Amino acid sequence: SQQGEEDPQALSIQEGENATMNCSYKTSINNLQWYRQNSGRGLVHLILIRSNEREKHSGRLRVTLDTSKKSSSLLITASRAADTASYFCAFYNTDKLIFGTGTRLQVFP
Amino acid sequence: NAGVTQTPKFQVLKTGQSMTLQCAQDMNHNSMYWYRQDPGMGLRLIYYSASEGTTDKGEVPNGYNVSRLNKREFSLRLESAAPSQTSVYFCASTHRPGRLNTGELFFGEGSRLTVL
Repeated sequence: SQQGEEDPQALSIQEGENATMNCSYKTSINNLQWYRQNSGRGLVHLILIRSNEREKHSGRLRVTLDTSKKSSSLLITASRAADTASYFCAFYNTDKLIFGTGTRLQVFP
Repeated sequence: NAGVTQTPKFQVLKTGQSMTLQCAQDMNHNSMYWYRQDPGMGLRLIYYSASEGTTDKGEVPNGYNVSRLNKREFSLRLESAAPSQTSVYFCASTHRPGRLNTGELFFGEGSRLTVL
């Protein structure tokens, strides 16, 4: 399969805690992206990290990329109940954007 | 500013029936995609259109056909629906600045299809 693999598949934390999810892929990439999906909705783009970047921040999001290990991680700091959603990594294989299997995050108030 | 619009939002079909899922975007994007999402399997690419006038198979194209009607519209057709095609279908689009795609995708809200 061309899909990326994400772990954990599911994650439950309390509000205020940090959430970390990981993505591994098999091909060479130009960039890696992270998306969020609220239950029953379409995906929304969160952040993009280029292959020549090692770390990128956007608000409470921190993304790292290790191209030598073909892996990326998404850290959400000081989580909120509203962060409850599924999170997907994605990367291009030629013109095709391939998604990981996703991490379901539940944040309890 | 509607973004990506999919119709219908919900549909129930009987095995063997045909139907077309419609997708339109108003962002002047040149690339459009159809994905299906099944529990525990993430999103899998069915077909994509890198630019107007071209279409290519993705990971799971069997049982589907597509038409890139114009720059705005990209439809997905099930000629003879099967229960295995019960899924949530998402259309997405992006601007393709050069030879290859590198940008973020904008998604519709999904079409939930049940085949009995």
